[in-house]
Amino acid sequence: AQSVTQLGSHVSVSEGALVLLRCNYSSSVPPYLFWYVQYPNQGLQLLLKYTTGATLVKGINGFEAEFKKSETSFHLTKPSAHMSDAAEYFCAPLTGGGNKLTFGTGTQLKVEL
Amino acid sequence: DTGVSQNPRHKITKRGQNVTFRCDPISEHNRLYWYRQTLGQGPEFLTYFQNEAQLEKSRLLSDRFSAERPKGSFSTLEIQRTEQGDSAMYLCASSPQDSGLSFFGQGTRLTVV
Repeated sequence: AQSVTQLGSHVSVSEGALVLLRCNYSSSVPPYLFWYVQYPNQGLQLLLKYTTGATLVKGINGFEAEFKKSETSFHLTKPSAHMSDAAEYFCAPLTGGGNKLTFGTGTQLKVEL
Repeated sequence: DTGVSQNPRHKITKRGQNVTFRCDPISEHNRLYWYRQTLGQGPEFLTYFQNEAQLEKSRLLSDRFSAERPKGSFSTLEIQRTEQGDSAMYLCASSPQDSGLSFFGQGTRLTVV
């Protein structure tokens, strides 16, 4: 079964600094991979997705992620953090015939002045 | 707003009571998913429908839980004889079939006291 590991349950960066949120998946078959963002007491919003093709995927709000098969990774990055980026971020592969998502435990991003 | 709509947003109930949540998906999305998210965790899959057919249920979905999607449009999730361990955010998502793209509602936060 597909699963993901998100290293670092809490990440803190300064405003304007690079954001790097880590996600490693477990599979020998490249999955479809997603990053979602969740603001407090809200649902999940899709940031970006990898299906096939280009391994560098650009998403909303300046985020991007690179699929690296050799490292089984799909890390999320943003060159310059903004205060509004403070939220919880989830990495998730599609799983099973029903295309359901299997979420990681999430990374809480804090952006400091 | 044509996004996924969930009602109520918040529900406080006494242990042992029954509760029912409603989800209105994006029109013409034939897949509808329910997830549960407890504090500090990622969402966990509960069940999904394709049109009116419930095609998969997680082991998390005990006998006290039942979900329906009678006309292939809105869905309800009922929890009977609620327990404190049922306290969580219940998230609904909808998806066009085979797209792999899930769109989430704002969630219903259940507190069992």
